[in-house]
Amino acid sequence: DTEVTQTPKHLVMGMTNKKSLKCEQHMGHRAMYWYKQKAKKPPELMFVYSYEKLSINESVPSRFSPECPNSSLLNLHLHALQPEDSALYLCASSPMGNTEAFFGQGTRLTVV
Amino acid sequence: GESVGLHLPTLSVQEGDNSIINCAYSNSASDYFIWYKQESGKGPQFIIDIRSNMDKRQGQRVTVLLNKTVKHLSLQIAATQPGDSAVYFCADYTNYGQNFVFGPGTRLSVLP
Repeated sequence: DTEVTQTPKHLVMGMTNKKSLKCEQHMGHRAMYWYKQKAKKPPELMFVYSYEKLSINESVPSRFSPECPNSSLLNLHLHALQPEDSALYLCASSPMGNTEAFFGQGTRLTVV
Repeated sequence: GESVGLHLPTLSVQEGDNSIINCAYSNSASDYFIWYKQESGKGPQFIIDIRSNMDKRQGQRVTVLLNKTVKHLSLQIAATQPGDSAVYFCADYTNYGQNFVFGPGTRLSVLP
């Protein structure tokens, strides 16, 4: 099983809403990532979790709040987003840092 | 700063021909590289990887070449098929960065 599952697939939210994105993997991977991808652009790193601890925060605004409840789950809590935050949010996992990273299908987020 | 880039944003090839997608990287400390394929509306799909102690690696119909002297990476796809049409990203990893940095991507179009 090399699957990273992200839910929901699509999300439309208002600027005052609070929502969460979920990512799940059962491959025993210890590194998990959140990336943001705008149209026609490459994925850009937001956060890295290593052994369930936040190891990298790429200066992401506080309206994005990551959480790693256990080694299989990664959440991204969203609050007071702006329309420019609309993008494809990708989760990835890898056994360790410098090994192949597998991506989920992403959550297409639209902020209205 | 570190960066991974591509020479061409688009590439069109005839079905059955071989495709070569190039990538230039600037960080000499990069020690692990991955090629990803991303189809419209989907997450990046792992194709093949290579470590800095190798200069060539082959998979099924794909070959990755690494030239550390000029910091150049290429992906060769043999007998390109319509299903190969997608955006291809190279990504590099450094232990101190602890994350994958993506190049801008090349859109491959396979002509019938």
